[in-house]
Amino acid sequence: AQTVTQSQPEMSVQEAETVTLSCTYDTSESDYYLFWYKQPPSRQMILVIRQEAYKQQNATENRFSVNFQKAAKSFSLKISDSQLGDAAMYFCAYRSSYNQGGKLIFGQGTELSVKP
Amino acid sequence: DGGITQSPKYLFRKEGQNVTLSCEQNLNHDAMYWYRQDPGQGLRLIYYSQIVNDFQKGDIAEGYSVSREKKESFPLTVTSAQKNPTAFYLCASYEAGANREGSGYTFGSGTRLTVV
Repeated sequence: AQTVTQSQPEMSVQEAETVTLSCTYDTSESDYYLFWYKQPPSRQMILVIRQEAYKQQNATENRFSVNFQKAAKSFSLKISDSQLGDAAMYFCAYRSSYNQGGKLIFGQGTELSVKP
Repeated sequence: DGGITQSPKYLFRKEGQNVTLSCEQNLNHDAMYWYRQDPGQGLRLIYYSQIVNDFQKGDIAEGYSVSREKKESFPLTVTSAQKNPTAFYLCASYEAGANREGSGYTFGSGTRLTVV
């Protein structure tokens, strides 16, 4: 069974600085998808970025980028030029490319606070 | 607008009562999911359904039941057998397909269940 681990329950960053959130996962599969979701106080789940395992190039979305290390099974999220609106809970998630119900497997979450 | 509607937003249950959480989607998605969110534990899968009249247990199905009589609806019943039901419950739907820009998932806004 696949597992996702986020070892940082809380992180803090100064506004305009850069922060990196860590995520590791365990799988025996070779093809899968990885995601970072943001959950602000409204509790709405917002997709931040996604990475296909077969792509070597790290995904980027504006100020958000990932460092995907497939051999190490690591998938960290870097937030550059942090803004107050980035404060939220962040979840790393895994989805198999094979038919396992399409279910997402989530990590425990990292609570990010941004200091003005 | 297409989306997922969860109701109610807040729900209070007395000890020993069954309660049903509603989840409705108008996205024509085949698959639907129920997740439970607790502090420090991320989102854990309760039940999922890939097609009408069929559903599978997730990682924490004990004390819960579901039905999928219509494609649009996937209600979750929290039974009196669930020893610690106080949590935040999220419903999601999923549209399978290749070359998808997002994750394929749409989440509801959640239901906060409290046992009183």
